[in-house]
Amino acid sequence: GAGVSQSPRYKVAKRGQDVALRCDPISGHVSLFWYQQALGQGPEFLTYFQNEAQLDKSGLPSDRFFAERPEGSVSTLKIQRTQQEDSAVYLCASSLDRGHGEKLFFGSGTQLSVL
Amino acid sequence: AQKVTQAQTEISVVEKEDVTLDCVYETRDTTYYLFWYKQPPSGELVFLIRRNSFDEQNEISGRYSWNFQKSTSSFNFTITASQVVDSAVYFCALISGAGSYQLTFGKGTKLSVIP
Repeated sequence: GAGVSQSPRYKVAKRGQDVALRCDPISGHVSLFWYQQALGQGPEFLTYFQNEAQLDKSGLPSDRFFAERPEGSVSTLKIQRTQQEDSAVYLCASSLDRGHGEKLFFGSGTQLSVL
Repeated sequence: AQKVTQAQTEISVVEKEDVTLDCVYETRDTTYYLFWYKQPPSGELVFLIRRNSFDEQNEISGRYSWNFQKSTSSFNFTITASQVVDSAVYFCALISGAGSYQLTFGKGTKLSVIP
């Protein structure tokens, strides 16, 4: 597609439910990133993929968060046993090369609300 | 550690006024990249500009201009003759270190342009 696509656009979950957020990066982009944006804050790094390899997951807040990109294109961010503090906008971004100092192309995000 | 400070939380201007958004960064690395992104109500972060630490030339793109000053660790953004379509949240961000890829964002400045 022309841009980074994320689905769903909005997700409401009850506390304790598992959720899966999908990201379709720009075709051919090597690097894929997930960022978390709390209300009124700047995005914060969660994890980084280069093709199918997850090279950095240092920003994932707990072991309830898991991300994958099995074929080097589409990525899924999964959150198990959601908590209220997980409520945020989850942004996916991709870049053409390895991402070092590169500009990122962002999707519109998934707004997750945990009740 | 790196940090980006955007001291202005919200700014309101009347259409056609000029407005400057401030950004101050902190890093110990000599190689770094500075960015500005625009986040309209749709949520998607839109890339505006990237500068590397070795290029202090100011840049102008249409009504937008950027002033990079290493002496004051600032990378300010000016919109000339503002328009209603400029209303958005603007983020300054930093990638610090050669080979790095994590963006560190400021908290953003919400700009409202009043017709």
